[in-house]
Amino acid sequence: GNSVTQMEGPVTLSEEAFLTINCTYTATGYPSLFWYVQYPGEGLQLLLKATKADDKGSNKGFEATYRKETTSFHLEKGSVQVSDSAVYFCALMAGGSYIPTFGRGTSLIVHP
Amino acid sequence: NAGVTQTPKFQVLKTGQSMTLQCAQDMNHEYMSWYRQDPGMGLRLIHYSVGAGITDQGEVPNGYNVSRSTTEDFPLRLLSAAPSQTSVYFCASSPPPGGANVLTFGAGSRLTVL
Repeated sequence: GNSVTQMEGPVTLSEEAFLTINCTYTATGYPSLFWYVQYPGEGLQLLLKATKADDKGSNKGFEATYRKETTSFHLEKGSVQVSDSAVYFCALMAGGSYIPTFGRGTSLIVHP
Repeated sequence: NAGVTQTPKFQVLKTGQSMTLQCAQDMNHEYMSWYRQDPGMGLRLIHYSVGAGITDQGEVPNGYNVSRSTTEDFPLRLLSAAPSQTSVYFCASSPPPGGANVLTFGAGSRLTVL
């Protein structure tokens, strides 16, 4: 079956540090890949997505590249801010499916 | 504003009481689903629906019932609440499969069962 593995958190960084959150997946076929973000007290919202190999999703300074050869979709940001403190979920959607597969989430804490 | 609306935002129940968490979306999405979120457990799918009149079980369906009489609404019923159902519940919806389907989530309903 499909699965998503994320690095465990929390990840604690100082403001302006470089961020990487690792995500690897197992899936049949060619899934679409997503990063969702959950700010404190809110529901999840889409951060970025990629639909095919070598696609790069980007939004709000965050980037992730769909790497089929390593089955990975790592999230990166060059300079984090306190406002980026949130829980980040990696997810995949297999073609033709309604139901996404989520990772367990990685908490990011950014200190001033 | 278009989106997914959940009510109530907070609820406290006693063991054995029943209640319904409401979820409504105005985007004409076919797919709707309920998740629970617990510390260290990520998101777990409770029930989902691929259209009016069609529902199915997810990963953790026990103790919960759903129905889908309209495209817009997908209520989650707790028939006899238990402390193990203390959690934050999220409703989500998306359009039919095809392309990269993005889920739209509600703001969540925090339930405490005493």
